[in-house]
Amino acid sequence: RKEVEQDPGPFNVPEGATVAFNCTYSNSASQSFFWYRQDCRKEPKLLMSVYSSGNEDGRFTAQLNRASQYISLLIRDSKLSDSATYLCVVRHGGTASKLTFGTGTRLQVTL
Amino acid sequence: DTGVSQDPRHKITKRGQNVTFRCDPISEHNRLYWYRQTLGQGPEFLTYFQNEAQLEKSRLLSDRFSAERPKGSFSTLEIQRTEQGDSAMYLCASSLGEGELFFGEGSRLTVL
Repeated sequence: RKEVEQDPGPFNVPEGATVAFNCTYSNSASQSFFWYRQDCRKEPKLLMSVYSSGNEDGRFTAQLNRASQYISLLIRDSKLSDSATYLCVVRHGGTASKLTFGTGTRLQVTL
Repeated sequence: DTGVSQDPRHKITKRGQNVTFRCDPISEHNRLYWYRQTLGQGPEFLTYFQNEAQLEKSRLLSDRFSAERPKGSFSTLEIQRTEQGDSAMYLCASSLGEGELFFGEGSRLTVL
């Protein structure tokens, strides 16, 4: 089983739609969680951190469910510029401070 | 400082040759990471440094791969006796402690 699992998509949605991505992680000792965005042929960039209480940044909302080891990202009012791959990322903490990335979920927003 | 820089951006080599990639992190960042990414996959962890110390190395990394960060600043990743399966984008990232990772644009390797 992969450490971080995501549906690779693609998700094709019309402009203005609401879309949700899910991610599960296998290591219950994981401590920090993030969503990164990667545009085609570009490097990944941090979109937002994910907190147990849930957090919102404009049209983006991230949720964490530690009991189910599940992370979500909700995008409201999708824009063409939201088209990208969204990577779910987990840090285990302690000396094993690497970030483990999921395979990413590709989103294509269309007119 | 405009961010993490990697060199070369593209490298084409023949199977069996050695290649070396360089990464210059953001200057005040003490942590430096190497990842590998192939088409349709997320970045796969290779190794990371805190200052000059290599703290973790992926079990997936064969002994043909070696990385150094001799003075705690720039880092090099060397691949010896390259194989076609080594073809990938090699991404370097840096961070200040456990803060946000900032990635470079990557070094694309093609092994013929």
